[in-house]
Amino acid sequence: AQSVTQLDSQVPVFEEAPVELRCNYSSSVSVYLFWYVQYPNQGLQLLLKYLSGSTLVKGINGFEAEFNKSQTSFHLRKPSVHISDTAEYFCAVRGNNNDMRFGAGTRLTVKP
Amino acid sequence: DSGVTQTPKHLITATGQRVTLRCSPRSGDLSVYWYQQSLDQGLQFLIQYYNGEERAKGNILERFSAQQFPDLHSELNLSSLELGDSALYFCASSDKPGNTEAFFGQGTRLTVV
Repeated sequence: AQSVTQLDSQVPVFEEAPVELRCNYSSSVSVYLFWYVQYPNQGLQLLLKYLSGSTLVKGINGFEAEFNKSQTSFHLRKPSVHISDTAEYFCAVRGNNNDMRFGAGTRLTVKP
Repeated sequence: DSGVTQTPKHLITATGQRVTLRCSPRSGDLSVYWYQQSLDQGLQFLIQYYNGEERAKGNILERFSAQQFPDLHSELNLSSLELGDSALYFCASSDKPGNTEAFFGQGTRLTVV
């Protein structure tokens, strides 16, 4: 079965600084990759997804992620963060068996 | 609004009791997933159903069970509740295998006292 590792449990960053949240996956089959965001007391919302095609995927709120097959990574980036980006971010992988697995999450805290 | 509805939003119950959490997926979605989110264990996949049949099983305790009904809504049953079962339980749905994302409900917050 596929699995996901989010390498950082917490990432503090100052407002307007760039940020990268790291995600590595393992799978023996073709995968589909996702990033979700969870704001306090809310459910998970999709930020972006990689299904096929271009390895650079753009999502909502200025986020983007790059699929790297050789490194089995799907890191999330934003060139300039805002206070409102403070949230928990989850990387997820879905294989052909329709099973969707999430990483442990990365708490992004944006400081003024 | 994701289109996934979970009820109730909050539930407080005593140890040893049994509760049922309900999930209505997005219209047309055949897959339902259940997840448990707690502070110490993060987001844990419990179980998945596809068109009424169990498709995948994760870290679900034997005290927990789920089912998906013909109208595609799903219920998660938690029995012999322990303090450690206190968590946020999420339901998510998707329409077909493989290349689509899952849409999440707002969750049911279970507190066991």
